[in-house]
Amino acid sequence: GAVVSQHPSWVICKSGTSVKIECRSLDFQATTMFWYRQFPKQSLMLMATSNEGSKATYEQGVEKDKFLINHASLTLSTLTVTSAHPEDSSFYICSARGTGGNNSPLHFGNGTRLTVT
Amino acid sequence: GENVEQHPSTLSVQEGDSAVIKCTYSDSASNYFPWYKQELGKRPQLIIDIRSNVGEKKDQRIAVTLNKTAKHFSLHITETQPEDSAVYFCAASTNAGGTSYGKLTFGQGTILTVHP
Repeated sequence: GAVVSQHPSWVICKSGTSVKIECRSLDFQATTMFWYRQFPKQSLMLMATSNEGSKATYEQGVEKDKFLINHASLTLSTLTVTSAHPEDSSFYICSARGTGGNNSPLHFGNGTRLTVT
Repeated sequence: GENVEQHPSTLSVQEGDSAVIKCTYSDSASNYFPWYKQELGKRPQLIIDIRSNVGEKKDQRIAVTLNKTAKHFSLHITETQPEDSAVYFCAASTNAGGTSYGKLTFGQGTILTVHP
């Protein structure tokens, strides 16, 4: 149980274009999803917290107008990287919390490898 | 906010030896401490977690200890095997209300290499 599906697993786009990444909780409802970014050989850095039906909460230094987050249902959150640039190339991973409150385990998606050329 | 420091950044052991990875955290309100294993290009996988009301937890070859007073916790892997080779991340979160939503703050990661 508690499967999180992320799509696409990899994407290559041209500089200036936008890319949408989907994160779905397949067998549970996730009122809160988290979006992380991981550069090569580095840790996972939280970008934003996605809350169903409300605006996302962004971490300091993350541009909300560049990384658009939509959490329109209890099973789907999307991250859109707008006007992508090569420095946005990274591994983007979503995660969702299952039932059990804030201290229940986070379940991660498979991640999306974004390459901006 | 929370700050999690993890050491060492790399760890090399012989098969069968034990491996220990240590983390410290800054926010005394943190009360949930998971450990993740991440293989190259894949998602982090939860391997063990511990809550603040427990000092130690064990699952087969893996154990985690927590010292709340000192604000540090450690991962212990015994009888290491080559397939244990991966990057390991510690993390900490609070169950605070408001806007924290129990978000995880990760350590920097430890590259564990187990030599046959």
